[in-house]
Amino acid sequence: DGGITQSPKYLFRKEGQNVTLSCEQNLNHDAMYWYRQDPGQGLRLIYYSQIVNDFQKGDIAEGYSVSREKKESFPLTVTSAQKNPTAFYLCASNIRDTNQPQHFGDGTRLSIL
Amino acid sequence: GQQVMQIPQYQHVQEGEDFTTYCNSSTTLSNIQWYKQRPGGHPVFLIQLVKSGEVKKQKRLTFQFGEAKKNSSLHITATQTTDVGTYFCAGPNTGTASKLTFGTGTRLQVTL
Repeated sequence: DGGITQSPKYLFRKEGQNVTLSCEQNLNHDAMYWYRQDPGQGLRLIYYSQIVNDFQKGDIAEGYSVSREKKESFPLTVTSAQKNPTAFYLCASNIRDTNQPQHFGDGTRLSIL
Repeated sequence: GQQVMQIPQYQHVQEGEDFTTYCNSSTTLSNIQWYKQRPGGHPVFLIQLVKSGEVKKQKRLTFQFGEAKKNSSLHITATQTTDVGTYFCAGPNTGTASKLTFGTGTRLQVTL
């Protein structure tokens, strides 16, 4: 079955530590996205990528970094510069430059130790 | 920048009552999409509306796109406990078609 796989499901970060969230898709989608969701809140866009080796900042990119070396993969690193990283992180993908809906992974819950 | 607001933020109904959430965009949209997120889950696409004034139905759910293509609504008739979740509308970003701006969401709680 085609889909988006996010791992791990739960992640704990220590002070000053960088952590990387994985997102892999086998939908053959060019566009991929990372969102942050805080309790009771909507989805805020962190970074997005329309094509391999290219990505753009979203609305809340500070303290985060991404890479897009392969079409299938779009990992998100939460750096130590992100002072309030506790949130639910969602990865999504869709067909580039279309109005096709986004498909989401199951998400990663990140907490501070 | 583009903003998409939803009201109400939260609604608690008894099973069998109707529910409506409203979505308003600061800009004209080429289309509007609706997603549902169950508690602890991820958003799942429900439907897309494209035409001005368009109305689509999915069983007990009725979706409407405004004439000016700046607002939309989702109405659920005779809610059930399976309707519990947060409903988001989303519109394409004016600069990048595949990028979406999500609404603030409406959380629906249904009790027996």
